[in-house]
Amino acid sequence: GEDVEQSLFLSVREGDSSVINCTYTDSSSTYLYWYKQEPGAGLQLLTYIFSNMDMKQDQRLTVLLNKKDKHLSLRIADTQTGDSAIYFCAEDFGSGNTGKLIFGQGTTLQVKP
Amino acid sequence: DTGVSQDPRHKITKRGQNVTFRCDPISEHNRLYWYRQTLGQGPEFLTYFQNEAQLEKSRLLSDRFSAERPKGSFSTLEIQRTEQGDSAMYLCASSPTGTSGNNEQFFGPGTRLTVL
Repeated sequence: GEDVEQSLFLSVREGDSSVINCTYTDSSSTYLYWYKQEPGAGLQLLTYIFSNMDMKQDQRLTVLLNKKDKHLSLRIADTQTGDSAIYFCAEDFGSGNTGKLIFGQGTTLQVKP
Repeated sequence: DTGVSQDPRHKITKRGQNVTFRCDPISEHNRLYWYRQTLGQGPEFLTYFQNEAQLEKSRLLSDRFSAERPKGSFSTLEIQRTEQGDSAMYLCASSPTGTSGNNEQFFGPGTRLTVL
């Protein structure tokens, strides 16, 4: 069945770049997403990429998609302490444009001052 | 519009009791989704609505779970005869598009259910 895998934890120093990786199984996904979850807050969409793209840049965020290897990454440049959170990658799955999402288990990003 | 709201934010109940959660989506969003999130995991899809029609239910959703969206606006999720394994965060999301586009979903803060 469909599955999305992420590493569980990443620790970086403030000002460094962070790279969070994700692998997925459903090759028919149209969009892939990155969400951020802070304690006590709802999931917030950070960015998304259409499956026929291989890169998308949005300010400090860069998304890379390797469709052949089914690998997605999120790079955060100049990581700040406010970036500390759990990051989820997600893919849409199922036939048709249903919007159903399957999420990875989340990567906890710890940013040290 | 202040976003997706959910009520209550927290619910503690005893095993065997019924509980009902409410979700108010962003106005005019025609799609509404329910997810469940347990500690240390990502959200799992439960069900979704296009307007008032419930279009799909996950295999995760046992017959003790029922969801409605009677007028295509707010939705309710009811769990009958709750079990300790139902303890989780129940998330609601809404989406403005039903036919094309990236289906960006806006999530509510969730309802945390604890079954004792």
